[in-house]
Amino acid sequence: EAQVTQNPRYLITVTGKKLTVTCSQNMNHEYMSWYRQDPGLGLRQIYYSMNVEVTDKGDVPEGYKVSRKEKRNFPLILESPSPNQTSLYFCASSLSFSKNYEQYFGPGTRLTVT
Amino acid sequence: AQSVAQPEDQVNVAEGNPLTVKCTYSVSGNPYLFWYVQYPNRGLQFLLKYITGDNLVKGSYGFEAEFNKSQTSFHLKKPSALVSDSALYFCVTDTGRRALTFGSGTRLQVQP
Repeated sequence: EAQVTQNPRYLITVTGKKLTVTCSQNMNHEYMSWYRQDPGLGLRQIYYSMNVEVTDKGDVPEGYKVSRKEKRNFPLILESPSPNQTSLYFCASSLSFSKNYEQYFGPGTRLTVT
Repeated sequence: AQSVAQPEDQVNVAEGNPLTVKCTYSVSGNPYLFWYVQYPNRGLQFLLKYITGDNLVKGSYGFEAEFNKSQTSFHLKKPSALVSDSALYFCVTDTGRRALTFGSGTRLQVQP
């Protein structure tokens, strides 16, 4: 089954404790992206990757890092989480970034930083 | 900057009645517009897109959207709502910078 998976689905952590949220897709997609969803703000892009070893900042990259060493994986790293990073996070992928290709979203990771 | 606006936080409709979820856009050049739906505790799913061509776009689950250039709108519609249509709906556009920009979302509640 074609899908985007994220782990963990739920995470409660404390300020300053490094964490990684994994994202994996099995569709051989080139483009992958991370978003955060906050009430009343819709989804905002954190980082994106056009292909292996090619990443770039989105609208809200501060406090986050990413890597793309393999085509299928695109982990999101929070080196020193803070309470304002409490949010719902979505990973997405598409064949390439083009208006012709829909994006496939993972199920989301709900992160709480205390 | 490319943007979309969803003026209603919530829309309530009775099952069997037609539904409309509103979206207006502010885009330079040719607009590329999408609708995505988020069911409870699920990721977002693609519903439909407008790239060019016919102003009435048909999508998944019986939804359609009408592109109106003069009113800069892209409203989502369905002739007969189902309770299972209750979800959060997002109007989306391409920023032109290899990213999507999302509206704030409209929660659709369909009452039995």
